[in-house]
Amino acid sequence: QQPVQSPQAVILREGEDAVINCSSSKALYSVHWYRQKHGEAPVFLMILLKGGEQKGHEKISASFNEKKQQSSLYLTASQLSYSGTYFCGTENKDSGAGSYQLTFGKGTKLSVIP
Amino acid sequence: DTAVSQTPKYLVTQMGNDKSIKCEQNLGHDTMYWYKQDSKKFLKIMFSYNNKELIINETVPNRFSPKSPDKAHLNLHINSLELGDSAVYFCASSQGGTSQPQHFGDGTRLSIL
Repeated sequence: QQPVQSPQAVILREGEDAVINCSSSKALYSVHWYRQKHGEAPVFLMILLKGGEQKGHEKISASFNEKKQQSSLYLTASQLSYSGTYFCGTENKDSGAGSYQLTFGKGTKLSVIP
Repeated sequence: DTAVSQTPKYLVTQMGNDKSIKCEQNLGHDTMYWYKQDSKKFLKIMFSYNNKELIINETVPNRFSPKSPDKAHLNLHINSLELGDSAVYFCASSQGGTSQPQHFGDGTRLSIL
């Protein structure tokens, strides 16, 4: 089952904040976040493995609410380099821990303008 | 040094032809994947190999056949290409299952004329 991402697209001015949400209808074991710039490969940002876990990378952080079966990606004080499409990928609990199947959402296109 | 490399980067061919895409990773990972990204940017897993063994084979036509000669290589052969096969195909690798980060190759853009 494909996770649902929202919003589908967002436009920010440099320095503004954004939140991207990822929700699943199935119980989750882990959530991955990737960023893909136009014409390039997806690049790993972070994995969240436990309910309530929060991780951060510079001004990009994420949380995982296992109970609500959702994760959120927080982009703080956005920079031009943050532009791209953000994908969440989920690993369902019924696939088992350490399974080999990651299901990606449709992506959120983020555009940061000067 | 390129971690996950795919060849070719672009592939333009006619309907009905057979083509192969090669993937190699030098990260020492034991799991490799093939993904298809369509024109709407939807990234969908096709196959997953762990230690040269097929683990996941999603609903993919029989015309697609992956082969993993060793842990560092995963190739994709496509027979009788169809217009709907046009997409970007990404190879990825990870150490272990999906609880680990996946590293993607630069992709192969396949265009069917």
